[in-house]
Amino acid sequence: QKEVEQDPGPLSVPEGAIVSLNCTYSNSAFQYFMWYRQYSRKGPELLMYTYSSGNKEDGRFTAQVDKSSKYISLFIRDSQPSDSANYLCAMSAGYGNKLVFGAGTILRVKS
Amino acid sequence: GAVVSQHPSWVICKSGTSVKIECRSLDFQATTMFWYRQFPKQSLMLMATSNEGSKATYEQGVEKDKFLINHASLTLSTLTVTSAHPEDSSFYICSARVLPATGTGTYEQYFGPGTRLTVT
Repeated sequence: QKEVEQDPGPLSVPEGAIVSLNCTYSNSAFQYFMWYRQYSRKGPELLMYTYSSGNKEDGRFTAQVDKSSKYISLFIRDSQPSDSANYLCAMSAGYGNKLVFGAGTILRVKS
Repeated sequence: GAVVSQHPSWVICKSGTSVKIECRSLDFQATTMFWYRQFPKQSLMLMATSNEGSKATYEQGVEKDKFLINHASLTLSTLTVTSAHPEDSSFYICSARVLPATGTGTYEQYFGPGTRLTVT
Protein backbone atom coordinates (compact mmCIF):
# COMPACT_ATOMS: atom_id res chain seq x y z
CA GLN A 1 0.00 0.00 0.00
CA LYS A 2 1.30 3.43 -0.95
CA GLU A 3 1.68 6.03 1.77
CA VAL A 4 -0.45 8.46 -0.22
CA GLU A 5 -3.22 7.39 -2.58
CA GLN A 6 -4.62 9.69 -5.22
CA ASP A 7 -6.95 8.86 -8.08
CA PRO A 8 -4.98 9.63 -11.25
CA GLY A 9 -8.06 10.50 -13.30
CA PRO A 10 -8.34 11.98 -15.80
CA LEU A 11 -11.23 13.97 -14.42
CA SER A 12 -13.22 15.86 -17.03
CA VAL A 13 -15.75 18.53 -16.05
CA PRO A 14 -17.63 21.34 -17.79
CA GLU A 15 -16.64 24.94 -17.20
CA GLY A 16 -18.23 26.35 -14.06
CA ALA A 17 -18.46 23.00 -12.27
CA ILE A 18 -17.28 22.39 -8.72
CA VAL A 19 -14.30 20.05 -8.71
CA SER A 20 -13.38 17.80 -5.82
CA LEU A 21 -9.91 16.27 -5.69
CA ASN A 22 -8.97 13.88 -2.92
CA CYS A 23 -6.11 12.00 -1.32
CA THR A 24 -5.96 9.43 1.41
CA TYR A 25 -2.91 8.56 3.42
CA SER A 26 -1.76 5.95 5.90
CA ASN A 27 0.91 7.72 7.95
CA SER A 28 -0.71 9.30 11.00
CA ALA A 29 2.44 11.37 11.58
CA PHE A 30 1.68 13.61 8.61
CA GLN A 31 0.86 17.13 9.78
CA TYR A 32 1.61 19.37 6.81
CA PHE A 33 -0.56 19.07 3.73
CA MET A 34 -0.12 20.77 0.40
CA TRP A 35 -1.73 20.89 -3.00
CA TYR A 36 0.33 21.63 -6.07
CA ARG A 37 -0.83 22.41 -9.59
CA GLN A 38 1.39 21.34 -12.46
CA TYR A 39 0.86 22.41 -16.03
CA SER A 40 2.29 20.27 -18.79
CA ARG A 41 6.09 20.47 -18.98
CA LYS A 42 6.26 22.86 -16.03
CA GLY A 43 7.29 22.56 -12.40
CA PRO A 44 4.63 22.17 -9.67
CA GLU A 45 3.16 25.40 -8.29
CA LEU A 46 2.13 25.54 -4.63
CA LEU A 47 -1.61 26.18 -4.44
CA MET A 48 -2.63 25.52 -0.89
CA TYR A 49 -0.82 24.76 2.35
CA THR A 50 -2.55 23.48 5.48
CA TYR A 51 -1.23 22.52 8.86
CA SER A 52 -3.10 19.80 10.79
CA SER A 53 -6.87 19.46 10.44
CA GLY A 54 -9.33 22.06 9.22
CA ASN A 55 -10.28 24.12 6.21
CA LYS A 56 -8.44 26.81 4.32
CA GLU A 57 -9.90 28.98 1.60
CA ASP A 58 -8.13 31.05 -1.04
CA GLY A 59 -10.32 32.51 -3.76
CA ARG A 60 -11.95 29.68 -5.69
CA PHE A 61 -9.88 27.06 -3.89
CA THR A 62 -10.68 25.37 -0.58
CA ALA A 63 -8.47 22.79 1.08
CA GLN A 64 -9.82 20.45 3.73
CA VAL A 65 -7.91 18.13 6.02
CA ASP A 66 -9.55 15.43 8.12
CA LYS A 67 -6.78 13.78 10.10
CA SER A 68 -9.15 11.41 11.88
CA SER A 69 -10.06 9.89 8.51
CA LYS A 70 -6.62 10.47 6.96
CA TYR A 71 -8.31 12.23 4.08
CA ILE A 72 -7.61 15.54 2.38
CA SER A 73 -9.53 17.36 -0.31
CA LEU A 74 -9.16 20.28 -2.66
CA PHE A 75 -12.30 21.96 -3.97
CA ILE A 76 -12.29 24.24 -6.97
CA ARG A 77 -15.37 26.41 -7.44
CA ASP A 78 -16.45 27.86 -10.79
CA SER A 79 -13.81 25.85 -12.59
CA GLN A 80 -12.18 27.41 -15.64
CA PRO A 81 -10.40 25.90 -18.64
CA SER A 82 -7.21 27.46 -17.24
CA ASP A 83 -7.59 25.14 -14.24
CA SER A 84 -6.84 22.19 -16.52
CA ALA A 85 -3.65 20.71 -15.10
CA ASN A 86 -2.23 17.90 -13.00
CA TYR A 87 -3.02 18.34 -9.30
CA LEU A 88 -0.68 16.73 -6.81
CA CYS A 89 -1.30 16.34 -3.11
CA ALA A 90 1.75 16.23 -0.89
CA MET A 91 2.29 15.81 2.80
CA SER A 92 4.98 15.63 5.43
CA ALA A 93 5.44 14.82 9.08
CA GLY A 94 7.49 17.92 9.70
CA TYR A 95 10.34 20.18 8.67
CA GLY A 96 12.98 17.47 8.89
CA ASN A 97 10.93 15.01 6.86
CA LYS A 98 10.63 14.70 3.12
CA LEU A 99 7.49 15.53 1.18
CA VAL A 100 5.48 12.50 0.06
CA PHE A 101 3.46 13.00 -3.12
CA GLY A 102 0.33 11.44 -4.45
CA ALA A 103 0.29 10.20 -8.03
CA GLY A 104 -1.48 13.36 -9.22
CA THR A 105 -4.94 13.81 -10.73
CA ILE A 106 -5.23 15.15 -14.25
CA LEU A 107 -8.10 17.63 -14.48
CA ARG A 108 -9.66 18.80 -17.73
CA VAL A 109 -12.15 21.64 -17.69
CA LYS A 110 -14.07 21.84 -20.93
CA SER A 111 -15.33 25.18 -22.21
CA GLY B 1 5.37 32.92 -3.05
CA ALA B 2 9.07 32.23 -3.25
CA VAL B 3 10.67 31.88 -6.67
CA VAL B 4 12.95 29.04 -7.74
CA SER B 5 14.66 29.09 -11.10
CA GLN B 6 16.33 26.34 -13.08
CA HIS B 7 18.78 26.48 -15.94
CA PRO B 8 18.70 25.26 -18.60
CA SER B 9 15.00 24.64 -19.21
CA TRP B 10 15.83 21.96 -21.74
CA VAL B 11 19.00 20.30 -22.95
CA ILE B 12 19.90 17.71 -25.53
CA CYS B 13 23.20 15.89 -25.15
CA LYS B 14 24.98 12.93 -26.63
CA SER B 15 25.35 9.66 -24.81
CA GLY B 16 28.46 9.59 -22.65
CA THR B 17 28.63 13.32 -21.98
CA SER B 18 27.86 15.11 -18.72
CA VAL B 19 25.18 17.71 -18.15
CA LYS B 20 24.91 20.25 -15.33
CA ILE B 21 21.59 21.67 -14.18
CA GLU B 22 21.45 24.69 -11.89
CA CYS B 23 18.78 25.45 -9.33
CA ARG B 24 18.56 28.88 -7.69
CA SER B 25 16.32 30.34 -5.03
CA LEU B 26 15.86 33.92 -6.20
CA ASP B 27 14.33 35.76 -3.29
CA PHE B 28 15.05 33.62 -0.26
CA GLN B 29 17.76 31.50 1.27
CA ALA B 30 17.32 27.76 1.12
CA THR B 31 19.38 25.61 3.43
CA THR B 32 17.73 22.57 1.91
CA MET B 33 17.06 21.85 -1.75
CA PHE B 34 15.64 18.74 -3.33
CA TRP B 35 16.08 17.12 -6.71
CA TYR B 36 13.23 15.19 -8.29
CA ARG B 37 12.78 13.23 -11.45
CA GLN B 38 9.47 12.91 -13.23
CA PHE B 39 8.55 10.52 -16.01
CA PRO B 40 5.62 11.28 -18.35
CA LYS B 41 2.26 11.06 -16.60
CA GLN B 42 3.87 10.03 -13.34
CA SER B 43 4.40 11.71 -10.02
CA LEU B 44 7.62 13.20 -8.75
CA MET B 45 10.33 10.83 -7.59
CA LEU B 46 12.70 12.26 -5.01
CA MET B 47 16.29 11.63 -6.01
CA ALA B 48 18.24 13.42 -3.29
CA THR B 49 18.15 16.01 -0.57
CA SER B 50 20.82 18.68 -0.73
CA ASN B 51 21.93 20.63 2.32
CA GLU B 52 24.12 23.69 2.00
CA GLY B 53 27.70 22.93 2.90
CA SER B 54 27.30 19.19 3.33
CA LYS B 55 26.99 16.06 1.23
CA ALA B 56 23.68 15.27 -0.38
CA THR B 57 21.51 12.45 0.89
CA TYR B 58 20.43 10.14 -1.91
CA GLU B 59 17.28 8.06 -2.02
CA GLN B 60 17.53 4.33 -2.31
CA GLY B 61 18.31 3.22 -5.84
CA VAL B 62 19.76 6.56 -6.97
CA GLU B 63 23.41 6.34 -8.01
CA LYS B 64 25.31 9.10 -6.23
CA ASP B 65 28.31 8.77 -8.57
CA LYS B 66 26.07 9.29 -11.57
CA PHE B 67 23.98 12.15 -10.21
CA LEU B 68 26.42 14.54 -8.56
CA ILE B 69 24.85 17.19 -6.37
CA ASN B 70 26.58 20.27 -5.06
CA HIS B 71 24.95 22.82 -2.77
CA ALA B 72 27.64 25.46 -2.63
CA SER B 73 25.60 28.36 -1.29
CA LEU B 74 22.25 29.14 0.29
CA THR B 75 20.81 30.04 -3.09
CA LEU B 76 22.40 27.56 -5.50
CA SER B 77 22.38 23.81 -5.94
CA THR B 78 23.59 21.94 -9.01
CA LEU B 79 22.85 18.48 -10.36
CA THR B 80 25.36 16.96 -12.75
CA VAL B 81 24.31 13.91 -14.73
CA THR B 82 27.58 12.18 -15.53
CA SER B 83 28.12 9.89 -18.52
CA ALA B 84 24.52 10.35 -19.55
CA HIS B 85 22.65 7.56 -21.30
CA PRO B 86 19.29 7.58 -23.11
CA GLU B 87 17.59 6.07 -20.04
CA ASP B 88 18.57 9.23 -18.12
CA SER B 89 16.27 11.24 -20.38
CA SER B 90 13.64 12.72 -18.11
CA PHE B 91 12.20 15.85 -16.56
CA TYR B 92 14.35 16.98 -13.64
CA ILE B 93 12.84 19.37 -11.10
CA CYS B 94 14.49 21.05 -8.15
CA SER B 95 12.76 22.36 -5.09
CA ALA B 96 13.75 24.63 -2.22
CA ARG B 97 12.36 24.68 1.25
CA VAL B 98 11.67 27.97 2.95
CA LEU B 99 12.99 28.25 6.48
CA PRO B 100 10.15 28.22 9.01
CA ALA B 101 9.37 31.42 10.83
CA THR B 102 10.42 31.24 14.46
CA GLY B 103 7.80 29.52 16.59
CA THR B 104 5.49 28.54 13.76
CA GLY B 105 6.98 25.17 12.94
CA THR B 106 5.64 25.58 9.44
CA TYR B 107 7.44 25.36 6.15
CA GLU B 108 6.66 25.51 2.50
CA GLN B 109 8.43 23.94 -0.44
CA TYR B 110 8.65 25.66 -3.81
CA PHE B 111 9.56 24.10 -7.12
CA GLY B 112 11.55 25.24 -10.09
CA PRO B 113 10.15 25.10 -13.63
CA GLY B 114 12.02 21.90 -14.45
CA THR B 115 14.70 20.87 -16.94
CA ARG B 116 13.92 18.47 -19.74
CA LEU B 117 16.95 16.32 -20.52
CA THR B 118 17.12 14.33 -23.73
CA VAL B 119 20.10 12.04 -24.24
CA THR B 120 20.62 10.86 -27.80
